[in-house]
Amino acid sequence: DTAVSQTPKYLVTQMGNDKSIKCEQNLGHDTMYWYKQDSKKFLKIMFSYNNKELIINETVPNRFSPKSPDKAHLNLHINSLELGDSAVYFCASSPRGVPSTDTQYFGPGTRLTVL
Amino acid sequence: QKEVEQDPGPLSVPEGAIVSLNCTYSNSAFQYFMWYRQYSRKGPELLMYTYSSGNKEDGRFTAQVDKSSKYISLFIRDSQPSDSATYLCSTRFYFGSGTKLNVKP
Repeated sequence: DTAVSQTPKYLVTQMGNDKSIKCEQNLGHDTMYWYKQDSKKFLKIMFSYNNKELIINETVPNRFSPKSPDKAHLNLHINSLELGDSAVYFCASSPRGVPSTDTQYFGPGTRLTVL
Repeated sequence: QKEVEQDPGPLSVPEGAIVSLNCTYSNSAFQYFMWYRQYSRKGPELLMYTYSSGNKEDGRFTAQVDKSSKYISLFIRDSQPSDSATYLCSTRFYFGSGTKLNVKP
């Protein structure tokens, strides 16, 4: 049973195109995240949703739009793709409790290449 | 200043060595500190987490937090080739840049 799954695993596309990445978790967690990992392995938070509500929105171009149809799904849509968007995008989920540990459970990643 | 800073490595050690991986963090309000392991072309997986100051041990792994100096450490005893991976320290949703470890047989 896959805990956090992402589709697609690989995405190769041209500059200027629009693409979406989907994420699903079956852990029953309330919080989901999108991270971007660059070529130097630096993992940076982009967005976080708690029970379908956006709670974190880091400095990300507004070409990136997350959407959470329910608390088990978090999708990422990217408009007008640029070369600098090439990276690995990770979805993660986290149990919420008091105290919150913010421990993350990651998906396998989507490797996006913009040509 | 980044919220979490990590020695980038790479670190190469012989099998059986004790490995020490280190990070510093900036915000004294952070309370939970995590270590993740990431194999090549995979997602990070949670190794262990600690709360506030002190040590936590799990098998060959020991995580240590010193809040007075804002210092986080992970020690790996009797390192194995299967430990070869990138190790990421984290607090909240802030991550260090990762230390790549290679354990040579």
